Amino acid sequence: DAGITQSPRHKVTETGTPVTLRCHQTENHRYMYWYRQDPGHGLRLIHYSYGVKDTDKGEVSDGYSVSRSKTEDFLLTLESATSSQTSVYFCAISDPLPSGGGWEKLFFGSGTQLSVL
Amino acid sequence: GNSVTQMEGPVTLSEEAFLTINCTYTATGYPSLFWYVQYPGEGLQLLLKATKADDKGSNKGFEATYRKETTSFHLEKGSVQVSDSAVYFCALRGAGGYQKVTFGIGTKLQVIP
Repeated sequence: DAGITQSPRHKVTETGTPVTLRCHQTENHRYMYWYRQDPGHGLRLIHYSYGVKDTDKGEVSDGYSVSRSKTEDFLLTLESATSSQTSVYFCAISDPLPSGGGWEKLFFGSGTQLSVL
Repeated sequence: GNSVTQMEGPVTLSEEAFLTINCTYTATGYPSLFWYVQYPGEGLQLLLKATKADDKGSNKGFEATYRKETTSFHLEKGSVQVSDSAVYFCALRGAGGYQKVTFGIGTKLQVIP
C-alpha cells in the first residue's frame, strides 16, 4: 500500500470553528489531492497541489483552503466549519508516469470522518 | 465538462450471481477510464482501467471494455462472492496534459450468501 496517512481519522466540531485536516505521504509524489465523499455525489475534488507551495482549486473549493509547505504534507483547512461540510474527506496522490505515457493511478488515504454540529 | 453516470444502488445479489454495473461518460477526445472499489472503512483503490477504445481492463475476475461508440465502460463479473461487497466507482481522466479525475456517484453492491 502507498504510504498515505490522514489525521485525524474522526473529528467532531462545532459550527464556526476552524478545522485542519492533515495528509502525510512517504512516496515523494508531486501531486496531492483533497476530495470529499457524500451520498449521491460520489467523490468531488476540493483542491489539489502540483508541488510545494503550488495549489489550485477543484470543483467544490468554497469554504476550504490548503497549504503545502513540504512535499510530504498537504493540509486542508475549513476556515469556519458549517454543517454542509460534514463529510468524509480523502487525500490522494498521483504522478505522471516516468515514460510520459499517462498517469499513475490515484492512491487514497483511509479518510477522515468530519462531523460539524 | 467531463461527467460520469452510474446508478447509485444498492445492488443486492446472491452469491455466484452475474454482476453488471453500468457506467456511461461524457468527455471530449479519448479519456482514460477506471473502476475504483471502496471496501467498508477504507479509501478507494484501483480495480481496473482502460486507456483507449476497445481496451478491456480486468482484475480479480472483474472486466470492463472501453466502448467509444456507446461512451460506456460497464463493469462485469461472472460470479460474485460475499467478499465483493463494496462501493464501486466509475471514473475518467480527460485526455491531454493534466486533467483531473472525475468520479461517478458510486454503486453500492451487497452480496448475500
